[in-house]
Amino acid sequence: DIQMTQSPSSLSASVGDRVTITCRASQSISNYLNWYQQRPGKAPKLLIYAASTLQSGVPSRFSGSGSGTDFILTIGSLQPEDFATYFCQQSRFTPTAFGQGTKVEVK
Amino acid sequence: QVQLVESGGGLVKPGGSLRLSCAASGFTFSDDYMSWIRQAPGKGLEWVLYISSSGTDISYADAVKGRFTISRDNAKNSMFLQMNSLRAEDTAVYYCARERGGWFGNYFDLWGQGTLVTVSS
Repeated sequence: DIQMTQSPSSLSASVGDRVTITCRASQSISNYLNWYQQRPGKAPKLLIYAASTLQSGVPSRFSGSGSGTDFILTIGSLQPEDFATYFCQQSRFTPTAFGQGTKVEVK
Repeated sequence: QVQLVESGGGLVKPGGSLRLSCAASGFTFSDDYMSWIRQAPGKGLEWVLYISSSGTDISYADAVKGRFTISRDNAKNSMFLQMNSLRAEDTAVYYCARERGGWFGNYFDLWGQGTLVTVSS
């Protein structure tokens, strides 16, 4: 099975900061990579699919890049509502798999 | 509005059974693949099983194979998860999720609020 590894596991940042989160797949998954945001006590929310396509309604400060095994989620200017946990997910192979999550906390 | 609503969670003893339901509204349920995804307390997301739009294609994670069964009733816009032989490690919030996508891969674009299953004596 494909293993997805995110780094860092957590980070501290301030409003207005540029934040990057990395996701690495154990083997090439082309661009079959999705990103989700999960606020405390809430269900995950799709942010980006196919590595770089923004889901409808998601602010443009979120962007994704990468292909093959290495992917990046960037938050261009962190907003108060962005303090949350972020997960990557590969959909190239069955079973699908999620990264362990990256928690973005207030500095 | 477009939503998924889970129900049926609760406290069950090890070895026991529980049946979860997922009610869909606001979209054509019979068009979509659906999945159950769980999240143990303080942990990450784990895909559990999916069912095709017609219900003929089903896939299970190894961790639940032989114990969990997924089904759907398209006439009632509902999906079900029958969980048998429950273990402590099945304790989690269980989400139902709609799967969409295409040539660029699939993704979960609609999630329910989740229902908590606790397996404990």
